[in-house]
Amino acid sequence: EAGVTQFPSHSVIEKGQTVTLRCDPISGHDNLYWYRRVMGKEIKFLLHFVKESKQDESGMPNNRFLAERTGGTYSTLKVQPAELEDSGVYFCASSQDGGQGTDTQYFGPGTRLTVL
Amino acid sequence: AQSVTQLGSHVSVSEGALVLLRCNYSSSVPPYLFWYVQYPNQGLQLLLKYTSAATLVKGINGFEAEFKKSETSFHLTKPSAHMSDAAEYFCAVTPMNTGFQKLVFGTGTRLLVSP
Repeated sequence: EAGVTQFPSHSVIEKGQTVTLRCDPISGHDNLYWYRRVMGKEIKFLLHFVKESKQDESGMPNNRFLAERTGGTYSTLKVQPAELEDSGVYFCASSQDGGQGTDTQYFGPGTRLTVL
Repeated sequence: AQSVTQLGSHVSVSEGALVLLRCNYSSSVPPYLFWYVQYPNQGLQLLLKYTSAATLVKGINGFEAEFKKSETSFHLTKPSAHMSDAAEYFCAVTPMNTGFQKLVFGTGTRLLVSP
């Protein structure tokens, strides 16, 4: 069974540009999460999809970030326009069962975003 | 609100020595607790999780952790370190029985294993 995949693995852009990150969850997983780790700091929650609906987007930093999950399969996270402080590693995770805090979240390898 | 403190950004041990990675949590409601490991160029992998069934939790690769409510701790241990254990380890918490599933992570501890 394929794990969570993320594309690209690395992205280097200039301040003010737009970047779109993609996450493909494990097949059949209704729950999809985005997290971000800024260098040297903790991994922080951004948002949670259940199928195509946003269940919790309390961690989204500002309106420059837009997450979508059309059709309840893969998800994209767009940053527009990118700022220096957006640099970090963006992780995607998915889980199968709904509504339980014990569900294992399976993580992808992350996308390392560098904004110059 | 929940938070996690991991003492020590780096821990160094010799191969064969005891591994102890510390995690203290703060939670306004009973927590679920997790340890994840990240090997180079890979995603986070679940080592073990506490879901209130038993306070001593055994995970993969010989790791275990004990939930101590009185100390608000969930330290990770392994009796004998192996070179392949070198990685970054993350402790995480999520509140119990609230339906919220977001994980709150600590800052991570990098384990270095020397021959």
